[in-house]
Amino acid sequence: DQQVKQNSPSLSVQEGRISILNCDYTNSMFDYFLWYKKYPAEGPTFLISISSIKDKNEDGRFTVFLNKSAKHLSLHIVPSQPGDSAVYFCAASRNDYKLSFGAGTTVTVRA
Amino acid sequence: NAGVTQTPKFQVLKTGQSMTLQCAQDMNHNSMYWYRQDPGMGLRLIYYSASEGTTDKGEVPNGYNVSRLNKREFSLRLESAAPSQTSVYFCATSGLGYGYTFGSGTRLTVV
Repeated sequence: DQQVKQNSPSLSVQEGRISILNCDYTNSMFDYFLWYKKYPAEGPTFLISISSIKDKNEDGRFTVFLNKSAKHLSLHIVPSQPGDSAVYFCAASRNDYKLSFGAGTTVTVRA
Repeated sequence: NAGVTQTPKFQVLKTGQSMTLQCAQDMNHNSMYWYRQDPGMGLRLIYYSASEGTTDKGEVPNGYNVSRLNKREFSLRLESAAPSQTSVYFCATSGLGYGYTFGSGTRLTVV
């Protein structure tokens, strides 16, 4: 049973607009959350993370929001660029450095 | 460049054959992981090694064995390949934080 769920398999957005990716989790013991980005034929690369003691973390165009009561986090990309077209994985951990991943969301940025 | 190297990149096996996937890292990290990626399932942890000399089962260990040969190398062995093991396999390492570094993957097909 997947503990980290990304219910939107794909997202299409126009260049310059905001991309919002959503992620839900079921395990209340998770205390650290991450987003990874993956291009075809490459391994995932770390994008941004957030600790459970925070509700927002920002890094340039990328912002992650955490709502612990709803067990929900989201990734905002503003503005979206063609190079952002990739698969994005949400991941979570229980302070043991093992990550549980969601199924991924494929983002396509249209020119 | 520092990173994680996986070999081979592609492999086709017949049902019942055995093979070993190799992973080597030059980042001096203690922890190493093997994940498999399947459509709609995201990345699932097969085995991990928190430090040299230790290995533990992850979420989907059946049909696999691992060896942490030294700090740099962590291999994954399929003793008798099955079609259900057709997947893309990723090796990863982590240091003190949660930011994993992934290899570029091994695409395995079992026919």
